[in-house]
Amino acid sequence: DQQVKQNSPSLSVQEGRISILNCDYTNSMFDYFLWYKKYPAEGPTFLISISSIKDKNEDGRFTVFLNKSAKHLSLHIVPSQPGDSAVYFCAASARETSGSRLTFGEGTQLTVNP
Amino acid sequence: EPEVTQTPSHQVTQMGQEVILRCVPISNHLYFYWYRQILGQKVEFLVSFYNNEISEKSEIFDDQFSVERPDGSNFTLKIRSTKLEDSAMYFCASSKTEVNTEAFFGQGTRLTVV
Repeated sequence: DQQVKQNSPSLSVQEGRISILNCDYTNSMFDYFLWYKKYPAEGPTFLISISSIKDKNEDGRFTVFLNKSAKHLSLHIVPSQPGDSAVYFCAASARETSGSRLTFGEGTQLTVNP
Repeated sequence: EPEVTQTPSHQVTQMGQEVILRCVPISNHLYFYWYRQILGQKVEFLVSFYNNEISEKSEIFDDQFSVERPDGSNFTLKIRSTKLEDSAMYFCASSKTEVNTEAFFGQGTRLTVV
């Protein structure tokens, strides 16, 4: 199942700089997108979401951008902090065809170096 | 802050045995889910549950799996006859509504089938 793809398994950035995590999708029926953060031995924690009717959503240090024509979304974290080090998952849902079922990407391990 | 709780955190079982994984969703949530993550793979949707019945299930959720809400607070996943390939982290999640809302995940149950 390659409907949601995160091509970078890992990303390393310096504290205070911007982290940009990317996600691509193939299913044009996806209309709601979410980012989750996951620490080891914990469940995914919701970070931020965006509906397909928007192209940007911002919440504090976190901003998600959606480019529907490119079927691409990204998560920007600025400024990055060491506590942001975790695995970040992109997820998507298609309300009309599969309700609230989430399809996840592979995840990107973010490391923020002090 | 309300959270989804799962028990046990780790379950070891022999192949062919039945296991029941338990979850207490957030109290005012109406939609409940099970996901799993096999080591090194994506988080995968198993089933969604609303109004005391399954609303959607994936191809993974075959006759060996069942879900139940035995009382007003618990939500369980039963695997009737476990196989080695059922070894995974199982995550329970809940959400207030079905659409345009984030799902909150529990910390997971690590199931090891030997």
